[in-house]
Amino acid sequence: SQQGEEDPQALSIQEGENATMNCSYKTSINNLQWYRQNSGRGLVHLILIRSNEREKHSGRLRVTLDTSKKSSSLLITASRAADTASYFCATDFSGTYKYIFGTGTRLKVLA
Amino acid sequence: DVKVTQSSRYLVKRTGEKVFLECVQDMDHENMFWYRQDPGLGLRLIYFSYDVKMKEKGDIPEGYSVSREKKERFSLILESASTNQTSMYLCASSWGLKRERLTGELFFGEGSRLTVL
Repeated sequence: SQQGEEDPQALSIQEGENATMNCSYKTSINNLQWYRQNSGRGLVHLILIRSNEREKHSGRLRVTLDTSKKSSSLLITASRAADTASYFCATDFSGTYKYIFGTGTRLKVLA
Repeated sequence: DVKVTQSSRYLVKRTGEKVFLECVQDMDHENMFWYRQDPGLGLRLIYFSYDVKMKEKGDIPEGYSVSREKKERFSLILESASTNQTSMYLCASSWGLKRERLTGELFFGEGSRLTVL
């Protein structure tokens, strides 16, 4: 399996601080996505970055991709208590939309 | 908005029972997926389907089967439920490769939490 792995497994920060979480994967990819999951709910898509992109922004989110290191990072700036959730990266198998998810980072933002 | 609906949020079944988990999407997506989510293990792909009546095994298909008779519906079947199948089950859908809108984004349902006693 080319399952990704997020790091750290858990992160606790104060409101207003930035949160950074990392994802490593094993094989070549076309795309990498980040998802968010509130406790006990389904996953919600945050952002997709293609293998030929190095950085992408969406609101307070910044994603980077380093294909040489097979890693990606998600930065949430000026975090809010509402950002408390688990965050997952997902990587695809070449030529398909079969995505494999990592184990997730649990983020807790303290008010 | 895309909507993926899972039939039951919570189910409690007995060991040996046959269990059906239903998933319906309303956006004409070609691809549909069933994942299982367990603490510390993340999401693991059970089966996926890229067209009606087509299916492929994921990483953990043992003990499960699927059915896709209509494009909008993808069912996960546990022929004889066991306690180690107690888990959260997540259904997702996405556009297929032939679509112009090739974002690859997965749309998830709210999940079905199954407890097998």
